[in-house]
Amino acid sequence: GENVEQHPSTLSVQEGDSAVIKCTYSDSASNYFPWYKQELGKRPQLIIDIRSNVGEKKDQRIAVTLNKTAKHFSLHITETQPEDSAVYFCAASVLSGGYNKLIFGAGTRLAVHP
Amino acid sequence: EPEVTQTPSHQVTQMGQEVILRCVPISNHLYFYWYRQILGQKVEFLVSFYNNEISEKSEIFDDQFSVERPDGSNFTLKIRSTKLEDSAMYFCASSDYNFGGGSTYEQYFGPGTRLTVT
Repeated sequence: GENVEQHPSTLSVQEGDSAVIKCTYSDSASNYFPWYKQELGKRPQLIIDIRSNVGEKKDQRIAVTLNKTAKHFSLHITETQPEDSAVYFCAASVLSGGYNKLIFGAGTRLAVHP
Repeated sequence: EPEVTQTPSHQVTQMGQEVILRCVPISNHLYFYWYRQILGQKVEFLVSFYNNEISEKSEIFDDQFSVERPDGSNFTLKIRSTKLEDSAMYFCASSDYNFGGGSTYEQYFGPGTRLTVT
């Protein structure tokens, strides 16, 4: 069935360092890959997404790369700050009309130490 | 900025009881979803809803579950006879994609309802 694997489960970095989170997906029909950030006790919020016709997308300190052949996608956060500390979830989806069922990875708990 | 809201924030119920979790999606959104997250585990898709009917449901969404959009604003998830393993955080989400353009596939999540079955 559909599955998304996410690594690492926890990541600890020093402020200013880069952080990379990696995901693989099983359904080759997946064509939409969002990343959500969830702070403690709060709702998941979209931070960046990418569609399968694009290999890379960047938004300030955040970038996502996609390798369709290998079915891998990654989140890159540069110049990390303490406020980046949260749980990050990757997801994969097959866009069907306007609706998309998100299959989530297990999450990565990122801790950024001052 | 408009947000998805959910009530209650925390629901405690006894095994075998019925619960209704309520959601108010963002007003111009067309697609509605329920997800759940068992403590320490990944967020799991339950069901999607569009045009007053279920678009897709997961294996988790068995006959004990139902969804309804009783009016123009609310979207509810009912669990008829709760089990201990139904204890989880339940998230509602909505999205507004339309083929006319000017929208995205982003799903906006509510704050969740923590369901505890004792």
